[in-house]
Amino acid sequence: DIVMTQSPDSLAVSLGERATINCKPSQTVLHSSNNKKYLAWYQQKPGQPPKLLISWASTRESGVPDRFSGSGSGTDFTLTISSLQAEDVAVYYCQQYLRTPLTFGGGTKVEIK
Amino acid sequence: EVQLVESGGGLVQPRGSLRLSCTASGFTFGDCAMSWVRQAPGKGLEWVGLIRSKAHGGTTEYAASAAGRFTISRDDSKSIAYLQMNSLKTDDTAVYYCARRSTLLEDFFDYWGQGTLVTVSS
Repeated sequence: DIVMTQSPDSLAVSLGERATINCKPSQTVLHSSNNKKYLAWYQQKPGQPPKLLISWASTRESGVPDRFSGSGSGTDFTLTISSLQAEDVAVYYCQQYLRTPLTFGGGTKVEIK
Repeated sequence: EVQLVESGGGLVQPRGSLRLSCTASGFTFGDCAMSWVRQAPGKGLEWVGLIRSKAHGGTTEYAASAAGRFTISRDDSKSIAYLQMNSLKTDDTAVYYCARRSTLLEDFFDYWGQGTLVTVSS
């Protein structure tokens, strides 16, 4: 199984400042046949289901603000919120979809400082 | 508008059974693979299993924690996916979400239901 390790578990950032969340798969999620990175990011606000933010490590879903960006290699990924807004308070999860079992990171809780 | 609505959750005793339903609308259900993902109280997300579309064999896959106890099925005529859970344990207590596989035919999830709570307790 591909184990997804997220860090930090939580972080507090001032409004307008940058938030950076890390995700490290235990093995590469880069598919050798198409050079695509099989990694997604989700946002989950309290009492709500997760919402897809980013797929293929860096492709934002339609309607997701451009302050959210994803980057990374096969085994080291980052979700960046460039200028934190109050509505971004949530838990963020990474997920690999290279192979089953599909696995999620443990989540990173983002709060306002 | 795509909608996924889970139902069937509730309180069940250990070793009991429960069947969850996920009723879909707003898209061609039969064309899509569906997954179940659960979230224990205060914890993270755990994939339970998936069922592929009939065009892709209608096959199922499960997490190790679900294999042998849980069964996913689908009724495309009713646009419903099911999760049959047997031999339930207290560790199965969670909110269970159904989620649609992306239309790019890769196993990330572009739509989620609101979830249904399953509590396993005596």
